[in-house]
Amino acid sequence: KQEVTQIPAALSVPEGENLVLNCSFTDSAIYNLQWFRQDPGKGLTSLLLIQSSQREQTSGRLNASLDKSSGRSTLYIAASQPGDSATYLCAVCRMDSSYKLIFGSGTRLLVRP
Amino acid sequence: GAGVSQTPSNKVTEKGKYVELRCDPISGHTALYWYRQSLGQGPEFLIYFQGTGAADDSGLPNDRFFAVRPEGSVSTLKIQRTERGDSAVYLCASALVATETQYFGPGTRLLVL
Repeated sequence: KQEVTQIPAALSVPEGENLVLNCSFTDSAIYNLQWFRQDPGKGLTSLLLIQSSQREQTSGRLNASLDKSSGRSTLYIAASQPGDSATYLCAVCRMDSSYKLIFGSGTRLLVRP
Repeated sequence: GAGVSQTPSNKVTEKGKYVELRCDPISGHTALYWYRQSLGQGPEFLIYFQGTGAADDSGLPNDRFFAVRPEGSVSTLKIQRTERGDSAVYLCASALVATETQYFGPGTRLLVL
């Protein structure tokens, strides 16, 4: 059974810091891995999607890496801003007929001005 | 273009009542997913539709939960004899096909008193 773990559960940093969020998964048979952002009371916004054959993806100040063999992904946020405050969710897409997403519990990020 | 929409945005009901939650996917998307997110947790898969048929309902917790998608577009999640433990945010996502990116709606927040 695929399990996804995110560390840390919560993180508070001063504005301007670079930070790393961690995600680990138990079954390497994945189709892709996605990082989502969720603001309080809102739905999910996809940030980055890494296909299983890829090692990393970049978008602006965000960089996500994938090491499928070790079951790990990291989300790197450069020069954090208060507007980055949100919950960040990692999800692996199972390689089965439904391609359902299996989510971690998220990391709650607070960037202090 | 329009994204995934869900109605109602909030629903308060009493224990034992029946509720229906509606999802309008992005036009042309054949794959539709329902997830449930409890407080402080990541979303959990409930059911997947490919067109009109429920191709994977392995995430439905019990037979009080049922979902339909009669014309291959709008989907309704139905919960009978609601229990307090059903309180959660119910998220809908759609994709062009199952292997493509899932786009999430804002969710329906269900509270069972």
